[in-house]
Amino acid sequence: DAKTTQPPSMDCAEGRAANLPCNHSTISGNEYVYWYRQIHSQGPQYIIHGLKNNETNEMASLIITEDRKSSTLILPHATLRDTAVYYCIVPKAAGNKLTFGGGTRVLVKP
Amino acid sequence: DTAVSQTPKYLVTQMGNDKSIKCEQNLGHDTMYWYKQDSKKFLKIMFSYNNKELIINETVPNRFSPKSPDKAHLNLHINSLELGDSAVYFCASSRGATNEKLFFGSGTQLSVL
Repeated sequence: DAKTTQPPSMDCAEGRAANLPCNHSTISGNEYVYWYRQIHSQGPQYIIHGLKNNETNEMASLIITEDRKSSTLILPHATLRDTAVYYCIVPKAAGNKLTFGGGTRVLVKP
Repeated sequence: DTAVSQTPKYLVTQMGNDKSIKCEQNLGHDTMYWYKQDSKKFLKIMFSYNNKELIINETVPNRFSPKSPDKAHLNLHINSLELGDSAVYFCASSRGATNEKLFFGSGTQLSVL
């Protein structure tokens, strides 16, 4: 998997947007960027993924830079239930072998 | 209905025992996985099966043996349990084996005493 780098932790105010950065400078042209999160004592949960274009779904938006060396996950209106560890993962092309690094521990505060 | 369910949720056992963890998915997916999350919270893949065929087998002691009786089930049997096997084990599934999102179960917390 391409190596990813994320800040270890960040705080966010409830109701505000949370912007989570991820660097993946060694990404190959056909490798996707995936985001998962793990809420305490639960299994990881898929959030979103993308290749080149920006993506949006009901949970979040994913912004990928033009050179694809970094991306940002945006939670538009963070709630207390969004407190979790967020993982940015770039699996090898043609494979689902996800390697979870340390992730970013996000604490949403009232 | 829970999409990916694993049992038991908690498993406490003595060193040297043999135990199994069961996983079932009702999503109609072809691919299933076992992940291990250690005390430092790092998640590592152990095994993956696609259509009952083993496709990923990481460096795992051969005391760990996955078994897939059909596409909807992937069980994990562990022989001669050791203290270091204590962890949370997660089962997951995906529609296919390539560029597909994974759906995870809620985990089995294994404690070896």
